[in-house]
Order: sequence, then C-alpha cells, then structure tokens
Amino acid sequence: QKEVEQNSGPLSVPEGAIASLNCTYSDRGSQSFFWYRQYSGKSPELIMSIYSNGDKEDGRFTAQLNKASQYVSLLIRDSQPSDSATYLCAVRSSASKIIFGSGTRLSIRP
Amino acid sequence: EPEVTQTPSHQVTQMGQEVILRCVPISNHLYFYWYRQILGQKVEFLVSFYNNEISEKSEIFDDQFSVERPDGSNFTLKIRSTKLEDSAMYFCASSELAGEETQYFGPGTRLLVL
Repeated sequence: QKEVEQNSGPLSVPEGAIASLNCTYSDRGSQSFFWYRQYSGKSPELIMSIYSNGDKEDGRFTAQLNKASQYVSLLIRDSQPSDSATYLCAVRSSASKIIFGSGTRLSIRP
Repeated sequence: EPEVTQTPSHQVTQMGQEVILRCVPISNHLYFYWYRQILGQKVEFLVSFYNNEISEKSEIFDDQFSVERPDGSNFTLKIRSTKLEDSAMYFCASSELAGEETQYFGPGTRLLVL
C-alpha cells in the first residue's frame, strides 16, 4: 500500500516567519510530487510541483525533494495570515492517480 | 482563467437513492478524474477517465459507482444506491494530458446521505 505521511499539526507560526512543512512517502519509484493548499470546505489548489532532487522556488514558496530519503518539504517565507490552511502533500503513483497525505494544518498568528 | 465547475454544490439524499454529480472540465482537457474527501480525512482517488473509458480506478470505485461523459462538455459520477458512508465531498478534476502534472480541481459537491 503506497502511503504519504504528514504531521497533522496544527503548526503555529508567527506572521513574517518561515513555515516548514514536511512529508514522507513510501513508494521509492515515485517521480512526481505536489503541494496543494486546501482552505476549510474548499477544493485543493496546487501550489508547487517538483520532480527532481533539490530545491524549487516560486515566490515565497520553496519545495525541497530528497528521493534517497523519500522526503518532500515545503517552506513558506514571510508567512501571512492568508497562508493559514491545510497543506496537502501528494505523490503521483501512476499516470493518472495521485495519492494525498492527510495534510498539515498551518496557522499563522499575527 | 478557465476552471472546472461542479453541480450541485450540495446534495442531500436518502440512503438507497441514486445520485448523479456533474462536472464540466476545462474545455481543452482530455483527462478527467473523481476524488472524494470524507470529512476530516484524506483526499482519495476514485477514478480516471480518458477517451470515453475508465483508465484507472481505485478499490473504492466498486459496482455502485459509474462515470460517463454524456456529451462534449459534461462528466458525471453516478452512485447507484447511496450508503451512509458515501457522505463526503466529491471533487472533479481535469488535466490536459495524462502525464500533464497539473490536475485542476473543481469546487466540489458536498453529498450528505441520510
């Protein structure tokens, strides 16, 4: 059974600080990794995708991938109250299927 | 910006009734998906659909579920005889290609089975 594991949180971070979200996955053959943001009662919204080892930056967001450790992370710099949401780590397990983690609830305190 | 739309936004039904959830994928997308999220739980893959047939389905997608593209724009999920445990948020998604990494999610239909 392919799994994606995340700490459920809540993770509380002061406004302006860096939020660090982590994820591990079980399928060593996975090649595509995603971070989605989900506000309460809303649908997942893609923030970042990453396919190669190392860092990928997009604005205030940086995704990090370490395939040897089967580890993906998301850093959010200069955290804003609007970043308060649940962050879902997801891994592509086949051409069409994405497996989601249970999500980490992030709270940015003013 | 094009987006995936879903109707209805909320549906309440009695156990044993049939429901049809509707989705309009982004117009130039070729691959369509249904996911569900039981309250407080993970987003779970149900099924993917391409070229008028199912390309992959999960163990959740049993005989009571079916999908259809009845015309050039709609993509539907039918639950034949709903159970209490079918209560969930159902998300439709679409992507341009199978290997295309971005699956765009619709806003979801909240289904409540009483």
